[in-house]
Amino acid sequence: GIQVEQSPPDLILQEGANSTLRCNFSDSVNNLQWFHQNPWGQLINLFYIPSGTKQNGRLSATTVATERYSLLYISSSQTTDSGVYFCAVEYNTNAGKSTFGDGTTLTVKP
Amino acid sequence: DADVTQTPRNRITKTGKRIMLECSQTKGHDRMYWYRQDPGLGLRLIYYSFDVKDINKGEISDGYSVSRQAQAKFSLSLESAIPNQTALYFCATSDLGGAGELFFGEGSRLTVL
Repeated sequence: GIQVEQSPPDLILQEGANSTLRCNFSDSVNNLQWFHQNPWGQLINLFYIPSGTKQNGRLSATTVATERYSLLYISSSQTTDSGVYFCAVEYNTNAGKSTFGDGTTLTVKP
Repeated sequence: DADVTQTPRNRITKTGKRIMLECSQTKGHDRMYWYRQDPGLGLRLIYYSFDVKDINKGEISDGYSVSRQAQAKFSLSLESAIPNQTALYFCATSDLGGAGELFFGEGSRLTVL
């Protein structure tokens, strides 16, 4: 069936450290998004990235569609980066509907 | 003002009560969605609508119903709420003519006692 796997499930960092979050998907995709859920529960769009590489400040993302994975890089982490990071995938065979992974919970300590 | 607005933001109710969660959007998008989030899990799709006359069940539609009153409005109803429907509910939109990027409301936290 449709699967989206994120790793690691939990990550604890010291402020200033770098991190890489991974999203594996099981089939060809129409699109892929990364979201940050802040401690108040709000979902914030980070990247729309079905393929290629994008950067936005300290965050960047790369999707290698042929190998069915995406990576989210966070550099020089800050305490405000804490929260849950979700990957959401729209498969070719399930157009118009996105499937979410279970997320990576990031805690950045001061 | 938010592009995707959900009301109420928080609601506590009792088992057996009828509850409606409302969503309105100013993005002009055709597609609207209701998702549910349980602690420690990702979002799961309840219902979705690709236009006003189109309503589809998602993966966890049992116990829920929806109404697409207009392009900009999509409501979710729990006809008889039960405790395991306690969750965080999100409305989302995307553009049929666009790339399918999802935009979320701020969430509605529902507690069923």
